[in-house]
Amino acid sequence: DTAVSQTPKYLVTQMGNDKSIKCEQNLGHDTMYWYKQDSKKFLKIMFSYNNKELIINETVPNRFSPKSPDKAHLNLHINSLELGDSAVYFCASSHHRDRGNTEAFFGQGTRLTVV
Amino acid sequence: GDSVTQMEGPVTLSEEAFLTINCTYTATGYPSLFWYVQYPGEGLQLLLKATKADDKGSNKGFEATYRKETTSFHLEKGSVQVSDSAVYFCALLDTGRRALTFGSGTRLQVQP
Repeated sequence: DTAVSQTPKYLVTQMGNDKSIKCEQNLGHDTMYWYKQDSKKFLKIMFSYNNKELIINETVPNRFSPKSPDKAHLNLHINSLELGDSAVYFCASSHHRDRGNTEAFFGQGTRLTVV
Repeated sequence: GDSVTQMEGPVTLSEEAFLTINCTYTATGYPSLFWYVQYPGEGLQLLLKATKADDKGSNKGFEATYRKETTSFHLEKGSVQVSDSAVYFCALLDTGRRALTFGSGTRLQVQP
């Protein structure tokens, strides 16, 4: 009964490859996110979708392309992977309200290693 | 812009010691404040939250009070256990903003 699940948990790939990370939430939330956690544990928002609409697109290379086929899914596709893309990527979801979103629920993370 | 500042780690304590992890924030609106915890190899879990000034969030023996006058949300626990060893993140969600802003995280190591 995992609330926010992402796959794969580990991903090792060579530079230049294209890879995808999938995320699904079963909480009925309308907002989903991708966060990147670097080697120093610092977390930064990459993208946010609300009802399949892109809401936040931080300064992220355009090699990163999120796709939201429906409210329960937000996938992250990365083209031409670089060494610097190695990090842990977290998917999260929350519910949007006029006075502010509810707290975010996070997936287990995907550790991406580019070699 | 919004920002969150946490005390640098690691914080190393003996079991049953008192814990304080400092967190201060800068925000333009009236943010909600959160503490998340990340156990080794796992994702982030919400530990506690406070949505307005003077609110106290509490969970599993941890507490934090939203202090608007000092823009702080310090995390405390009266008696830590080895199982509390983890990385703790302070975060805020500003009015109208739709994503959390995190602090840099503080690693807590509790020794038996």
